[in-house]
Amino acid sequence: DSGVTQTPKHLITATGQRVTLRCSPRSGDLSVYWYQQSLDQGLQFLIQYYNGEERAKGNILERFSAQQFPDLHSELNLSSLELGDSALYFCASSVGSSGGSPLHFGNGTRLTVT
Amino acid sequence: AQTVTQSQPEMSVQEAETVTLSCTYDTSESDYYLFWYKQPPSRQMILVIRQEAYKQQNATENRFSVNFQKAAKSFSLKISDSQLGDAAMYFCAYRVQGAQKLVFGQGTRLTINP
Repeated sequence: DSGVTQTPKHLITATGQRVTLRCSPRSGDLSVYWYQQSLDQGLQFLIQYYNGEERAKGNILERFSAQQFPDLHSELNLSSLELGDSALYFCASSVGSSGGSPLHFGNGTRLTVT
Repeated sequence: AQTVTQSQPEMSVQEAETVTLSCTYDTSESDYYLFWYKQPPSRQMILVIRQEAYKQQNATENRFSVNFQKAAKSFSLKISDSQLGDAAMYFCAYRVQGAQKLVFGQGTRLTINP
């Protein structure tokens, strides 16, 4: 158990809808990262927060947004969903915000858009 | 651009044998970190081993060890005495000191034959 909690485990929704994915980092970790894992694109970095502030942005679509709350949990909001958004979404956390701090991953949320 | 290449999409090995997974990366940085992650069928991303680029000594974690060749930008993972539980996707990852983004390779699927 990595200590990173993601909910829900599975999500099935229709195109055009909006969903929220939630992540609680490991105790003591200040950084939260979101990654998308699709079959054909491996693990793609979406966004990172450190102690409530956005630190880095990757290939995150404008339809997607995220935030980190004062209690350090994070939410990833996906709107106007398309079939291509179907993927496994991972949250990870680390103590530091860069360099050698290893990322500890949650079990992921499997999103299926129909 | 920083890239990580895993040239072996699939590998297989007999139980109790040794297998080596390849990884190369492209960077102009001198201070960075390298990681191997394991993703079993449970989908969780599990940290296997970590290497600091400034350390010449290869990292070792029980049956897992790396062969880090900085000049060649190569970071292979050796699994000794392979066990059925080692069957998984293995991802090589790279992160520059001071950077937030952890860059992943496309993964190698390892099968253990009993």
